[in-house]
Amino acid sequence: DAGITQSPRHKVTETGTPVTLRCHQTENHRYMYWYRQDPGHGLRLIHYSYGVKDTDKGEVSDGYSVSRSKTEDFLLTLESATSSQTSVYFCAIRRSILAGARYEQYFGPGTRLTVT
Amino acid sequence: LAKTTQPISMDSYEGQEVNITCSHNNIATNDYITWYQQFPSQGPRFIIQGYKTKVTNEVASLFIPADRKSSTLSLPRVSLSDTAVYYCLVVKQAGTALIFGKGTTLSVSS
Repeated sequence: DAGITQSPRHKVTETGTPVTLRCHQTENHRYMYWYRQDPGHGLRLIHYSYGVKDTDKGEVSDGYSVSRSKTEDFLLTLESATSSQTSVYFCAIRRSILAGARYEQYFGPGTRLTVT
Repeated sequence: LAKTTQPISMDSYEGQEVNITCSHNNIATNDYITWYQQFPSQGPRFIIQGYKTKVTNEVASLFIPADRKSSTLSLPRVSLSDTAVYYCLVVKQAGTALIFGKGTTLSVSS
């Protein structure tokens, strides 16, 4: 286990409310990612981070913001949740497969968010 | 990133070998072929990665022909627990992003 947790695991919120999801890792990996997964779309990248305070947008970043003030925590915020943001959210870290060569992404358990 | 094409679904029985083929006609020289597995209500899990020829680990084998325009994930003697979605991805050696398609849903029956 790479020591990656997500909180909360389940959340129901109302349209228009702010929501923050937390991803926590214990192994000091530089890269962290947020994906969403919806039926018929597979996983889509929202934002990623390549270091403390270094983030970049992914494929579906509109309506989301992220912050990384510490190596171990990557926060995803929905400033004003909408029903279209009902989804399963996965956090991932990038870690080496072979020393100094290739990488894999290791995923957390996911957060199921429902916006009513 | 190169686009991949794989079957939407496959069915198999326990004990059979399953081969899932993925096409990636536009693969670049420094791209690797990577497969992930996802069980319901879980995040994807890395299975195997290769650049050319054959790679084998304790879970699967990956066959890549010389032109690298396709690849085949081989699962030996599948069991019910291999029922999952399998994703084929083409990634840069030190790539920062993964592009997931819809994957192949493998259903294994007894």
